[in-house]
Amino acid sequence: EVQLVESGGGLVQPGRSLKLSCLASGFTFSNYGMNWIRQAPGKGLEWVASISSSSSYIYYADTVKGRFTISRDNAKNTLYLQMTSLRSEDTALYYCARRGDPHYYVMDAWGQGASVTVSS
Amino acid sequence: DTVLTQSPALAVSPGERVTISCRASESVSTGMHWYQQKPGQQPKLLIYGASNLESGVPARFSGSGSGTDFTLTIDPVEADDTATYFCQQSWNDPFTFGSGTKLEIK
Repeated sequence: EVQLVESGGGLVQPGRSLKLSCLASGFTFSNYGMNWIRQAPGKGLEWVASISSSSSYIYYADTVKGRFTISRDNAKNTLYLQMTSLRSEDTALYYCARRGDPHYYVMDAWGQGASVTVSS
Repeated sequence: DTVLTQSPALAVSPGERVTISCRASESVSTGMHWYQQKPGQQPKLLIYGASNLESGVPARFSGSGSGTDFTLTIDPVEADDTATYFCQQSWNDPFTFGSGTKLEIK
């Protein structure tokens, strides 16, 4: 069974940093591109960042570019999101999601999410 | 960025047929996908490539469309289909999501 389990969320003050992790199991992690997607309370979904299977290709949403860093450790089956200079508008549930079909950019497996609250 | 517009909410009775629409601000070819998100849960992929049913998803769900206008159909609707349905396009960078359609089963 494919499983993605996020951790590392919490309450953080504006301007501070936080690092999220996503532990993958049930599939060959190193074969798949991965993503972070967030959902602000009561809102829709927003793509945050993507990383290819070998980390060769990395992309960020303009809203987080220069502040967030996506990375992965294929030996540990783990995806990361380092978040710095956090703002109140970064408050959201952060999902780790696997890229599925190679022809279309779709997310075919999602974690339960890690809650991040940015507040003083 | 490509903006995806969805109706905010729909209410239908069990056994009925429901269509949920998604309109793109520019062509996305067939790069449109649909997700279901039940309250308190993560999104679940239903349809990819506009009309391809994800493995394990009931055949009651179907998708159609190309270019700028897309539809997710559920026929017949069941009580368990209460959820918010999001469309997502992957044709244009960055990929974007619609704001979601909340489906209520009366």
